[in-house]
Amino acid sequence: AQSVTQLDSHVSVSEGTPVLLRCNYSSSYSPSLFWYVQHPNKGLQLLLKYTSAATLVKGINGFEAEFKKSETSFHLTKPSAHMSDAAEYFCVVSEGDSSYKLIFGSGTRLLVRP
Amino acid sequence: AAGVIQSPRHLIKEKRETATLKCYPIPRHDTVYWYQQGPGQDPQFLISFYEKMQSDKGSIPDRFSAQQFSDYHSELNMSSLELGDSALYFCASISIGTSEDNEQFFGPGTRLTVL
Repeated sequence: AQSVTQLDSHVSVSEGTPVLLRCNYSSSYSPSLFWYVQHPNKGLQLLLKYTSAATLVKGINGFEAEFKKSETSFHLTKPSAHMSDAAEYFCVVSEGDSSYKLIFGSGTRLLVRP
Repeated sequence: AAGVIQSPRHLIKEKRETATLKCYPIPRHDTVYWYQQGPGQDPQFLISFYEKMQSDKGSIPDRFSAQQFSDYHSELNMSSLELGDSALYFCASISIGTSEDNEQFFGPGTRLTVL
């Protein structure tokens, strides 16, 4: 079975400093991996996705993630945090073999200090 | 571009009542997924439909049922509501036949509050 582990429940950074949100996955197949962002009382917005093409994936709002098979990781980064980045971030894996259902990590709440 | 539509956006019910949530997928998407996100929790997969047939089932209570209709919209029926059913319910759609990357497109969610 596939699973996702987000290593930090909360991450706090100062505005203008780099962001690193960590995610490790477990998969028996070649996974599809996603990062979603959820602002308070809002829906889920796709930031970026990995689907076995380039291992470095660029998303919206300056976010990037690198797929590292040897480390089974898919960490999310951004060079410079903005106040508007404060939200809940979910790392997600799709089984993709016979089912496309999404399996969510427990989420990381990003706090951005002025 | 058309997105996934969910209705209602907010719903308040009493315990033991029933509720029906509706999801209208993106045009030409053949597959619908339902997820439940409790307060402070990550979304959990409930059930999915492909071409009007149930394709997968997750942690969906027996009190809940769902179906997908001929126009591909889906309804989630919830009976004997409990306080613990209060959550944000997301619907997502995908075109299994044409999707290259398994990306599901999410609706805005229905927030159900059970009093």
